[in-house]
Amino acid sequence: DTGVSQNPRHKITKRGQNVTFRCDPISEHNRLYWYRQTLGQGPEFLTYFQNEAQLEKSRLLSDRFSAERPKGSFSTLEIQRTEQGDSAMYLCASSLAETRTGGGYTQYFGPGTRLTVL
Amino acid sequence: AQSVTQLDSHVSVSEGTPVLLRCNYSSSYSPSLFWYVQHPNKGLQLLLKYTSAATLVKGINGFEAEFKKSETSFHLTKPSAHMSDAAEYFCGGGYNKLIFGAGTRLAVHP
Repeated sequence: DTGVSQNPRHKITKRGQNVTFRCDPISEHNRLYWYRQTLGQGPEFLTYFQNEAQLEKSRLLSDRFSAERPKGSFSTLEIQRTEQGDSAMYLCASSLAETRTGGGYTQYFGPGTRLTVL
Repeated sequence: AQSVTQLDSHVSVSEGTPVLLRCNYSSSYSPSLFWYVQHPNKGLQLLLKYTSAATLVKGINGFEAEFKKSETSFHLTKPSAHMSDAAEYFCGGGYNKLIFGAGTRLAVHP
């Protein structure tokens, strides 16, 4: 399967602990996106990378959140000192960058990592 | 700024009857609009995408959507619902970061 993969699929942690999620994009895609989806809502944008550069961060991404894409391939999303409000599905997507407009082509989503903070 | 509104949080249809899921958008520029579907515990799968090439967009699994600039709408339709269509559907737009509506849960009854 050459789609977007995310690990782990589920994570249960206690409040105050740190967690890290991994996303492996489609291999030829140079853009990688992170979204958060809470119950009954659509996904909300968190951040995105083009190659290893982080180009945009949402205000939703507090100081406790950090994302990296060190070699322009896989990405990690770390949440420090987790809070119960961090419980959500964390979705990763990847795409090619459209050089003509600066936008992105179709984003392909992974299955997500469901985080539960007790 | 761009925003998306899905007008129905739940839609229920009988198998074999038409499906209509409504989406309105607001944008200060020509939008890139799309519909994704999400089955339980799965990621989002693209159904179709509008990129100004044609106002009627055909997608997978028999779905289509029509872009109507005068009504700022991008409603999703299917002539005949199948049980496997039961899922959550998200309308949205954007070029880099995507802005999603709150979703419409489609139930299909035998």
